[in-house]
Amino acid sequence: AQRVTQPEKLLSVFKGAPVELKCNYSYSGSPELFWYVQYSRQRLQLLLRHISRESIKGFTADLNKGETSFHLKKPFAQEEDSAMYYCALRGNYGQNFVFGPGTRLSVLP
Amino acid sequence: DGGITQSPKYLFRKEGQNVTLSCEQNLNHDAMYWYRQDPGQGLRLIYYSQIVNDFQKGDIAEGYSVSREKKESFPLTVTSAQKNPTAFYLCASSINTATDTQYFGPGTRLTVL
Repeated sequence: AQRVTQPEKLLSVFKGAPVELKCNYSYSGSPELFWYVQYSRQRLQLLLRHISRESIKGFTADLNKGETSFHLKKPFAQEEDSAMYYCALRGNYGQNFVFGPGTRLSVLP
Repeated sequence: DGGITQSPKYLFRKEGQNVTLSCEQNLNHDAMYWYRQDPGQGLRLIYYSQIVNDFQKGDIAEGYSVSREKKESFPLTVTSAQKNPTAFYLCASSINTATDTQYFGPGTRLTVL
């Protein structure tokens, strides 16, 4: 069965500190992994996807198939990064998304 | 910030009543989705539709019903059979179910009194 876990409900860091939001998944095939973000009073939106191997707003995420992880990282956190972050998985053949429980990131001044 | 809209923003209903949540999109997307968002549980898929006049159950469809009579509309009815309906409901759309970008609506918070 597909499953996504995010072990931290809340993560607090100081501005300028590195941040890592953890995401682990279980899936028997080769999944597609995504990070979605929801800023205060805004809609849930796609942040990045592993296929693109891109950096968005300074965030990167590498798919580690051996550890079945897709952790989100940023070297220097900014206050505007404070938001709710969801890791999501989609299985082969365009199956539907499975979302993790989310991690609330709070960047302190 | 249009594209996909949900109404109303807040909805209250008495126990035992059915209630319908609206979702409309003008993105010309074929696929539409309904999720339920509960604290600590992330988003769980209720129903999805790949094309007009077609829809499929998601992971937690019991107590819910949908229709897809028009491409731009995908209303969700929360029936009295749903045992724990108080939640935040999110609608989303995508070009099709194979594309990886879903666009989300602002959500409707349903409270059962």
